[in-house]
Amino acid sequence: GQQVQQSPASLVLQEGENAELQCNFSTSLNSMQWFYQRPGGSLVSLFYNPSGTKHSGRLTSTTVIKERRSSLHISSSQTTDSGTYLCALGGRNNNAPRFGAGTKLSVKP
Amino acid sequence: GPKVLQIPSHQIIDMGQMVTLNCDPVSNHLYFYWYKQILGQQMEFLVNFYNGKVMEKSKLFKDQFSVERPDGSYFTLKIQPTALEDSAVYFCASSLGNQAPLFGEGTRLSVL
Repeated sequence: GQQVQQSPASLVLQEGENAELQCNFSTSLNSMQWFYQRPGGSLVSLFYNPSGTKHSGRLTSTTVIKERRSSLHISSSQTTDSGTYLCALGGRNNNAPRFGAGTKLSVKP
Repeated sequence: GPKVLQIPSHQIIDMGQMVTLNCDPVSNHLYFYWYKQILGQQMEFLVNFYNGKVMEKSKLFKDQFSVERPDGSYFTLKIQPTALEDSAVYFCASSLGNQAPLFGEGTRLSVL
């Protein structure tokens, strides 16, 4: 089955609202990475966060290994945050990261 | 900062032809990866490569696919022969090992 599940599949917000994106995984974790995929397709690495909480501006990533989940919180959303957010789980022994299906975020003005 | 470069950004070929996608990884990286993303769909793992060998590959890595990195030059993905369903964006990534892989911007392959 799918190793990485992302939810929700899509999310529509009004500008200024907060967003909580989830990534749940079924296998053991060696790494967890969050990406923003631009409409043109290129990837922007947001966080490399195998465990704990990391902050970057309006973004916060929290990974709880025991609960097999990672979240991406976007505060005070802006229209420029619109796009697809991907999480990628890396297994142990340098296995290649596996991506979730993504959350498509749309922020309305 | 360091970057993974993919050349070309877009390639158009006729079905049945051979194509080679080139990736210039970060110079001191040891692990190399290819991913495939069909338009509007999920990013799918194809293969990873270390020390001159394929370490792991997925079911999407068909017999028509091959990878190599001769003498530390480009890390390449060759498809021979191509099929219509090979049309996708192919992303290359490289890493040192237990660190976040760096991804290239992707090569859009259109098979006609």
